[in-house]
Amino acid sequence: GEDVEQSLFLSVREGDSSVINCTYTDSSSTYLYWYKQEPGAGLQLLTYIFSNMDMKQDQRLTVLLNKKDKHLSLRIADTQTGDSAIYFCAEKRANSGYALNFGKGTSLLVTP
Amino acid sequence: GAVVSQHPSWVICKSGTSVKIECRSLDFQATTMFWYRQFPKQSLMLMATSNEGSKATYEQGVEKDKFLINHASLTLSTLTVTSAHPEDSSFYICSARGGQGTYEQYFGPGTRLTVT
Repeated sequence: GEDVEQSLFLSVREGDSSVINCTYTDSSSTYLYWYKQEPGAGLQLLTYIFSNMDMKQDQRLTVLLNKKDKHLSLRIADTQTGDSAIYFCAEKRANSGYALNFGKGTSLLVTP
Repeated sequence: GAVVSQHPSWVICKSGTSVKIECRSLDFQATTMFWYRQFPKQSLMLMATSNEGSKATYEQGVEKDKFLINHASLTLSTLTVTSAHPEDSSFYICSARGGQGTYEQYFGPGTRLTVT
């Protein structure tokens, strides 16, 4: 999992936008994912993006992919207190079926 | 979305005993299941990949005789931690993927194992 890097913490105010950034090193990664983990729970798939896409939007979530810089971001619009959780960026591992390499996760805290 | 369950959600066992964790895909057939391990405030580390009807493929450093994985059906995979020791205490998470052409991977809620 060390090939995927994320900042560890992010704090935003309710109603603002949150942007969580991720860098990966495997240029052959074809799929990149964002997962959400609430305390004591498993991972919830939020969205994923194919490497041939630059952007994907799904309701309040916008994923941007800069393949040249191997940079992935997740933007959450109108962030709510219920969005407080850990967000994991993951890349599909090359030559390993569909196993994923995870970053260490970004802990998002949304304050009222 | 697809649902993956794990059982038990929480288990305490004594050192030297074995414990079995089940992972089930409830509303889809999982051709591939993955087992991950997560330490507190850490990322998920892949332990092994299992395809239905085949032997599991273990990651480097993961003892296959200690972590027995069985994927006997398209909806069930089991992880058995044999002769558990306190250092095996961790959060074990499984994930499941459907058939060819599916890129989504769905995770179970995890099993907290504490070895005393």
